Amino acid sequence: DSGVTQTPKHLITATGQRVTLRCSPRSGDLSVYWYQQSLDQGLQFLIQYYNGEERAKGNILERFSAQQFPDLHSELNLSSLELGDSALYFCASSVEGEVGGQAKNIQYFGAGTRLSVL
Amino acid sequence: GQQLNQSPQSMFIQEGEDVSMNCTSSSIFNTWLWYKQDPGEGPVLLIALYKAGELTSNGRLTAQFGITRKDSFLNISASIPSDVGIYFCAGHSYTGTASKLTFGTGTRLQVTL
Repeated sequence: DSGVTQTPKHLITATGQRVTLRCSPRSGDLSVYWYQQSLDQGLQFLIQYYNGEERAKGNILERFSAQQFPDLHSELNLSSLELGDSALYFCASSVEGEVGGQAKNIQYFGAGTRLSVL
Repeated sequence: GQQLNQSPQSMFIQEGEDVSMNCTSSSIFNTWLWYKQDPGEGPVLLIALYKAGELTSNGRLTAQFGITRKDSFLNISASIPSDVGIYFCAGHSYTGTASKLTFGTGTRLQVTL
């Protein structure tokens, strides 16, 4: 158990809909990262938050957004869903997201949310 | 997005055999990490490497941080069926003040009895 909790584990929805994925980081971790993994693909970085602020953006579509709340949990919002958005979405957390001790930047992953868009 | 080149892409081996996989990049990284992902699960950290040339073991796993800081390898000795899964390397760097992890393309390992 990595200590990172993601809900829900599975989500089935229709095209055009909007969903929210939730992530609770490990206790004490300030940084949250979101990744997308399509079938048999590697992990694509979407976005990072550090202590409530957006810190880095990767290949995140404009239809997608995220936020990190004062209690440090994070939500990833996916809207106007398309068939191609079906994937595993992972959240990871680390102690720090900035220049600091290297060990503090190790990311620990949750079990993921499997999104199926029909 | 940018990804590291990981090889081999997949491998079938017999139980008891040793396994070797590697990861190369055109960029320098500060830290190399190796993760294992089981089907439908999140990646689990296996080994973290912090210094160029560092050789680290974790049970039957051994990994090294390349001296050029652009590559790393992972060896698994005496493989067992539960070693089945996808192994990802990841290189850590900084983009401005942001911490960034770049993942390899993965090595799918299948073990036969």
